[in-house]
Amino acid sequence: DVKVTQSSRYLVKRTGEKVFLECVQDMDHENMFWYRQDPGLGLRLIYFSYDVKMKEKGDIPEGYSVSREKKERFSLILESASTNQTSMYLCATNRGEAFFGQGTRLTVV
Amino acid sequence: AQSVAQPEDQVNVAEGNPLTVKCTYSVSGNPYLFWYVQYPNRGLQFLLKYITGDNLVKGSYGFEAEFNKSQTSFHLKKPSALVSDSALYFCAVRDHRGSARQLTFGSGTQLTVLP
Repeated sequence: DVKVTQSSRYLVKRTGEKVFLECVQDMDHENMFWYRQDPGLGLRLIYFSYDVKMKEKGDIPEGYSVSREKKERFSLILESASTNQTSMYLCATNRGEAFFGQGTRLTVV
Repeated sequence: AQSVAQPEDQVNVAEGNPLTVKCTYSVSGNPYLFWYVQYPNRGLQFLLKYITGDNLVKGSYGFEAEFNKSQTSFHLKKPSALVSDSALYFCAVRDHRGSARQLTFGSGTQLTVLP
């Protein structure tokens, strides 16, 4: 089975902090994704990577950046966290269907 | 542009009764369609997919979905609901010609199965 692991289940950060969300997959998939999930809005794509050091903006990239130095690891970075970035963040890989991590619930205070 | 609509934010059904969670889609080419389930404070789990072939697709936990091309629908069904089926359900679509990034999700339907 594909395993996608996000480093934290819950995080609380202060406004202005730099925040790193880490995601690791164990199935050698090329494609990795970061989504945020908000009630009533479904999943919105933040960034996507189709190979090491390659990245592509999704639908809502503002305020975020990403890093993919190794194939198995895809990091989401909030350069300066703001309260409107309080959300559930989901990492996924995709080969046919998508496989998701357990999610990180981030609260920015 | 492709899109997915889940017209019901909330569906309630009694345990043992059949359940249906609705999904309609819009894509320019042939669709790849998916259903996912999310339990509280967890990631999404894959339930089933339609790529081609038989319009009735069977998936995990006794769920099935029917692809209807003329109505552009892909409704999720189960003959007899369980309390443990209570969760948030997402439909997703992409054009078969599109890249893997072009997976579009609906806004989700909260299913509550009442004992």
